Amino acid sequence: DTGVSQDPRHKITKRGQNVTFRCDPISEHNRLYWYRQTLGQGPEFLTYFQNEAQLEKSRLLSDRFSAERPKGSFSTLEIQRTEQGDSAMYLCASSLGVTGATEAFFGQGTRLTVV
Amino acid sequence: DAKTTQPPSMDCAEGRAANLPCNHSTISGNEYVYWYRQIHSQGPQYIIHGLKNNETNEMASLIITEDRKSSTLILPHATLRDTAVYYCTAETSYDKVIFGPGTSLSVIP
Repeated sequence: DTGVSQDPRHKITKRGQNVTFRCDPISEHNRLYWYRQTLGQGPEFLTYFQNEAQLEKSRLLSDRFSAERPKGSFSTLEIQRTEQGDSAMYLCASSLGVTGATEAFFGQGTRLTVV
Repeated sequence: DAKTTQPPSMDCAEGRAANLPCNHSTISGNEYVYWYRQIHSQGPQYIIHGLKNNETNEMASLIITEDRKSSTLILPHATLRDTAVYYCTAETSYDKVIFGPGTSLSVIP
């Protein structure tokens, strides 16, 4: 257990529905990252937060995707009007984000299946 | 970010040392070499990182060449539980982790 928790662990949804995932980072970590991973591929970066500010978004993050981190604590990732291509593992990670090399700690992920 | 290249797969006999290579020929002076691994159906796990000097922790050793263009992750006594995909990345200390396809290590009994 890395201390980063994600909920739910699994989600099955029908195409066109909206889904929301939650990530609780390690409490003193001010950086939070979201990644997506499909079978046989490495995790792909989606977005990251420094405290409550969303500092970078990947081009992979279409308009249907939105992420928030209110008050710089937990974060949510919402996918609107889900498509079958959204089926993937969604990973959250956190790090201290201070000067000096710091590693990222990953949660166990939320596996999304769109049917 | 510096691009890293790794062999797609490797085998290692149980109990022997596993040596996983990584090339990062375009690494910048302020970029660290990080290693993560991902066991099936779990999130990636941090292993070790280094800038210029060789590093060792309870999990592994990291050997970085003097020109910093390549590195080797060493698992001194591989066990079946070390079977995983190993990712080598090169990042500054304030940047996001960018993963490549990694090396799939199979530890064979």
